Amino acid sequence: DVKVTQSSRYLVKRTGEKVFLECVQDMDHENMFWYRQDPGLGLRLIYFSYDVKMKEKGDIPEGYSVSREKKERFSLILESASTNQTSMYLCASSAPWDSYEQYFGPGTRLTVT
Amino acid sequence: AQKITQTQPGMFVQEKEAVTLDCTYDTSDPSYGLFWYKQPSSGEMIFLIYQGSYDQQNATEGRYSLNFQKARKSANLVISASQLGDSAMYFCAMVAGGTSYGKLTFGQGTILTVHP
Repeated sequence: DVKVTQSSRYLVKRTGEKVFLECVQDMDHENMFWYRQDPGLGLRLIYFSYDVKMKEKGDIPEGYSVSREKKERFSLILESASTNQTSMYLCASSAPWDSYEQYFGPGTRLTVT
Repeated sequence: AQKITQTQPGMFVQEKEAVTLDCTYDTSDPSYGLFWYKQPSSGEMIFLIYQGSYDQQNATEGRYSLNFQKARKSANLVISASQLGDSAMYFCAMVAGGTSYGKLTFGQGTILTVHP
């Protein structure tokens, strides 16, 4: 059974804290993605990676960074969390041999106070 | 650049009836794929159906079918015999060919409510 896991379902952090969101996939997928989802705005792409150590900015990269040291793991980093980063964060992975269907993790609901 | 438009913020349907969720897309790439995902209140994204731009026939998966009209650039999702468990947010998404690395462009979503 294919699986994408995320380190936390719920997270509460204080303004200014450094926050790490971890995503792991076990499907040997080349591509991995981080989205944030806000009511009325759909899913917005933050960053994606198409290979180990390779990353590209998505539509809303400001305030975020990413790390991909191993193929199966893609981390999203909030260097200094702010209240406007309170959101649902979704990780996904895909591969060209699977029509690029994206497999999603369960999501992390982050609250920054 | 690709664009997906879902014009129905919310839809209501009676249990056991069919419902159509609208999706239009825009791309200049001749090779692309279209997806529909379901997101229940629990938050996980569930893949429903896929249509490739060169597929000759409309895709079907159980109670889900994709009404693909290439000339109109539409990819509507049809759910037959709606069930209470179909109540969820539905997203239409597209991937373009070339070197997109599989990036999906999502629509804003449609909230479907199934009434008993």
